[in-house]
Amino acid sequence: AQTVTQSQPEMSVQEAETVTLSCTYDTSESDYYLFWYKQPPSRQMILVIRQEAYKQQNATENRFSVNFQKAAKSFSLKISDSQLGDAAMYFCAYRSARAGTASKLTFGTGTRLQVTL
Amino acid sequence: DTAVSQTPKYLVTQMGNDKSIKCEQNLGHDTMYWYKQDSKKFLKIMFSYNNKELIINETVPNRFSPKSPDKAHLNLHINSLELGDSAVYFCASSPGTSGTSQYFGPGTRLLVL
Repeated sequence: AQTVTQSQPEMSVQEAETVTLSCTYDTSESDYYLFWYKQPPSRQMILVIRQEAYKQQNATENRFSVNFQKAAKSFSLKISDSQLGDAAMYFCAYRSARAGTASKLTFGTGTRLQVTL
Repeated sequence: DTAVSQTPKYLVTQMGNDKSIKCEQNLGHDTMYWYKQDSKKFLKIMFSYNNKELIINETVPNRFSPKSPDKAHLNLHINSLELGDSAVYFCASSPGTSGTSQYFGPGTRLLVL
């Protein structure tokens, strides 16, 4: 079974600075997808960014980018120019891409990000 | 337009009652899911349906019964509610079963007293 580990329960960053959230995962599969979801106090789960394991290029979405290290099974999220609205819980998630497998997301335990002035 | 909607948003009930949570998506997706988020914020899959067919059924007590009347709806019925059922329940949907991103509803906070 796949597992996802987020070793930082809480992180803090000053507004306009850069922060990196860590995520590692364990899988025996070679084809899969990785995601970062954001959960602000409103409770809504918002997809931030997605990475296909077969792609070597790291995904980016505006101020959000990932550092995907397949051999190390590491998938960190970098938030640049942090804004107050970035304050939230961030969840890393894994999904198998193997044909015929069920399509569930396996989540990490989350990292609570605080953004200070 | 709301993409994935859930009703109700909040549900407070007594132990032993039966309750339902409804989910609807207007994205035209084929696959829908129920996730449970416990008090420690841990999210875990419960069920998934693809075109009204059950494809994931994790080790969930059989007091929980999902129903998909059509591919745009996935409802969750819970019998004989217990204190430990208190959680936030999220519905999600995706275009297919493989490789596609899942989009979540706003969640239903269930409190069992």
